[in-house]
Amino acid sequence: SQQGEEDPQALSIQEGENATMNCSYKTSINNLQWYRQNSGRGLVHLILIRSNEREKHSGRLRVTLDTSKKSSSLLITASRAADTASYFCAIRYSGAGSYQLTFGKGTKLSVIP
Amino acid sequence: ETGVTQTPRHLVMGMTNKKSLKCEQHLGHNAMYWYKQSAKKPLELMFVYNFKEQTENNSVPSRFSPECPNSSHLFLHLHTLQPEDSALYLCASSQEDTVGETQYFGPGTRLLVL
Repeated sequence: SQQGEEDPQALSIQEGENATMNCSYKTSINNLQWYRQNSGRGLVHLILIRSNEREKHSGRLRVTLDTSKKSSSLLITASRAADTASYFCAIRYSGAGSYQLTFGKGTKLSVIP
Repeated sequence: ETGVTQTPRHLVMGMTNKKSLKCEQHLGHNAMYWYKQSAKKPLELMFVYNFKEQTENNSVPSRFSPECPNSSHLFLHLHTLQPEDSALYLCASSQEDTVGETQYFGPGTRLLVL
């Protein structure tokens, strides 16, 4: 399977702590995206990092990409209870004509007030 | 609000019923998608439409039938479904060019097949 693999599957932290989630993949990519999903709702795009980029920031979010290790990490700093959600990495693999994003199973983050 | 709406939000149907899910995007995008999300499984891409033409069909059973009458609307027609088809069905859209590859998702339709 070419799906991304998130790690850990579940993460529980105290409010104010940092949360780190990882995503690994198997073949060459065009870009890698992170999405968030509140329970039973649609996914919301958080950040996109291209294969020629190594790090991107957006507010309290920091994403890194290591193409040599075929892995990415999402760091949420100073977490809040409202950050409680599932987080998915989605991979746009290299290759002409592909509109597909391949999603992983997600990391379920619980932030305890 | 992501600019993608889905109706209905919840649907309960018997295995012999016929129903349709509707998706509308207000973002001027040229590609639309149907995904299925089941518990403990990754998001599964079902269909992709680009410029109203179906470009991907990921081995979806024929009891699911998509329709894309224009670039803003996407339907998923359902008939003789099975209980294992119960899931959250998500619609998404994107602008497929060199600039935009982010997908914008609707809130989903929670489907229960009895």
